[in-house]
Amino acid sequence: GNSVTQMEGPVTLSEEAFLTINCTYTATGYPSLFWYVQYPGEGLQLLLKATKADDKGSNKGFEATYRKETTSFHLEKGSVQVSDSAVYFCALPSITDSWGKFQFGAGTQVVVTP
Amino acid sequence: DGGITQSPKYLFRKEGQNVTLSCEQNLNHDAMYWYRQDPGQGLRLIYYSQIVNDFQKGDIAEGYSVSREKKESFPLTVTSAQKNPTAFYLCASRSRQETNYGYTFGSGTRLTVV
Repeated sequence: GNSVTQMEGPVTLSEEAFLTINCTYTATGYPSLFWYVQYPGEGLQLLLKATKADDKGSNKGFEATYRKETTSFHLEKGSVQVSDSAVYFCALPSITDSWGKFQFGAGTQVVVTP
Repeated sequence: DGGITQSPKYLFRKEGQNVTLSCEQNLNHDAMYWYRQDPGQGLRLIYYSQIVNDFQKGDIAEGYSVSREKKESFPLTVTSAQKNPTAFYLCASRSRQETNYGYTFGSGTRLTVV
């Protein structure tokens, strides 16, 4: 089945710094790719997604581009805020073209200091 | 507004007790999932169900049980056979028709053994 690997955290950076969280995937075909965010004590929320190769997903200043050449879906934000402190998960369907269960990365904790 | 409701938010269990975590959705989603999250860890799949009256074991089903008698509901019972149940439990759902939308998560239940 499909799988995803993301960089380990924690990532600590100052407010207004540039953030990159690496995510690479192994998949059959071109499944949709997702980034989820989890704020302290809460469930996961969908942050952004890309449904086909070369698509760019964006939301709340975050962006990620579906790159089939490098099998990557790195998450970026140009200027982080303290409120972006959270855990970020990369995810994809376990089986391409299936509507079933997902594979999640291990999560990357991001800590933004004032 | 549609969504997933998990209750209770906090739950305390004595050793040897069974406890049931509630998960209800009004999104008309076909599939529902239970995940366990330990501090600083990723998500581990406990059970999932893609249709009423049917469910499958995930990666860590031992010590847990579920039922899916209604489309809207997918309760999880943590039995006394689960030796280390203290964790954060997340319920999620997904639509068969909206495969590009990924999962919708509840806000979680934090279970503590006392």
